[in-house]
Amino acid sequence: NAGVTQTPKFRVLKTGQSMTLLCAQDMNHEYMYWYRQDPGMGLRLIHYSVGEGTTAKGEVPDGYNVSRLKKQNFLLGLESAAPSQTSVYFCASSWDPYPHEQYFGPGTRLTVT
Amino acid sequence: DAKTTQPTSMDCAEGRAANLPCNHSTISGNEYVYWYRQIHSQGPQYIIHGLKNNETNEMASLIITEDRKSSTLILPHATLRDTAVYYCIVRVGGGNTPLVFGKGTRLSVIA
Repeated sequence: NAGVTQTPKFRVLKTGQSMTLLCAQDMNHEYMYWYRQDPGMGLRLIHYSVGEGTTAKGEVPDGYNVSRLKKQNFLLGLESAAPSQTSVYFCASSWDPYPHEQYFGPGTRLTVT
Repeated sequence: DAKTTQPTSMDCAEGRAANLPCNHSTISGNEYVYWYRQIHSQGPQYIIHGLKNNETNEMASLIITEDRKSSTLILPHATLRDTAVYYCIVRVGGGNTPLVFGKGTRLSVIA
């Protein structure tokens, strides 16, 4: 049981490039989330999903797109990376029904130059 | 969801109890109190949650005041490995509302 895994762990992009971050969970969780964390700040929710085929916007969705084609995977896409998107990205998943705790992945450190 | 207020930082001597306060004066009746922590560079880790009653698990105890406007997370015997940022979060039970993380309290356990 690997829990929540994230790929890649580190990435450097040039401004304007695109990339996709992959989150995978093997706990059969319905809910999945993408957060970003900037230095000295708490986590901010980007997008989340309450089940396969569904997505919803969080607190800071601009510049990101997501897809949940399979229950176990949640993809975060950056179509045209900007330096402001330099951050650590965390994925999380949780059970349904409530109450539920969120299980977090190890994070992806992204730098946009 | 209700807002929370936590001290920015706290110190605790190793082996002593660490008591982390959280104010949530606007909490409503159906909102739970959650605690998570984040050890440097790692993903956050769930600690405990509660609604009205005090709760205890293998990691910590959660004390919620009778009026539910504040709570305290207690780590009974803090170790150096407990040095982390601790987040207090309140959230409506049920529904699709995700957790919203604030800046938390940075706890430093000192040898």
